[in-house]
Amino acid sequence: AQSVTQPDIHITVSEGASLELRCNYSYGATPYLFWYVQSPGQGLQLLLKYFSGDTLVQGIKGFEAEFKRSQSSFNLRKPSVHWSDAAEYFCAVGLRGGTASKLTFGTGTRLQVTL
Amino acid sequence: DAGVTQSPTHLIKTRGQQVTLRCSPKSGHDTVSWYQQALGQGPQFIFQYYEEEERQRGNFPDRFSGHQFPNYSSELNVNALLLGDSALYLCASSGGTGNQPQHFGDGTRLSIL
Repeated sequence: AQSVTQPDIHITVSEGASLELRCNYSYGATPYLFWYVQSPGQGLQLLLKYFSGDTLVQGIKGFEAEFKRSQSSFNLRKPSVHWSDAAEYFCAVGLRGGTASKLTFGTGTRLQVTL
Repeated sequence: DAGVTQSPTHLIKTRGQQVTLRCSPKSGHDTVSWYQQALGQGPQFIFQYYEEEERQRGNFPDRFSGHQFPNYSSELNVNALLLGDSALYLCASSGGTGNQPQHFGDGTRLSIL
């Protein structure tokens, strides 16, 4: 069965600093890859997705992620963090196929931003 | 363009009771998936509905059941509630093909006393 690992439970960065959140997956083939963000008491908002093609994908709010097949990783990055980026971030994988796939999520990384 | 809407927002039940949660998908979406998110955890897939049928199911007991209506809206039913069913229940909708990202609602917070 596929699995997703987010090794960092909690990360604190200063506003304006760069950010990288790690995500590794275990799966027999390259899955669909997603990053979602969740603010307290809210649902999940899609930041970006990788299906195929260019391994560096751009998302909303200035986020980007790079797919590295050799490392089974899909790390999320942002060059300059804003205080409003404080939230929980989830990496997810989906099975490739003809129908909408169920998503397998990591346990999340909580981002705290200091001013 | 309304996104995914869920009702109610919050719900308090006692052990042994039954509950029904509701979800209206984003306009143009025909597939609805349900997830359970326990406190401090990532969402766990419960099941998915497409064309009014359950298409995929996660590792959840039969106490969890669902339904999809002709207008693509969906219900999640949980019988014989346990304390461990306390969680945020998220509904996600998407198009019917695998390369369509899922859009999530804000969830229903279910508390079991």
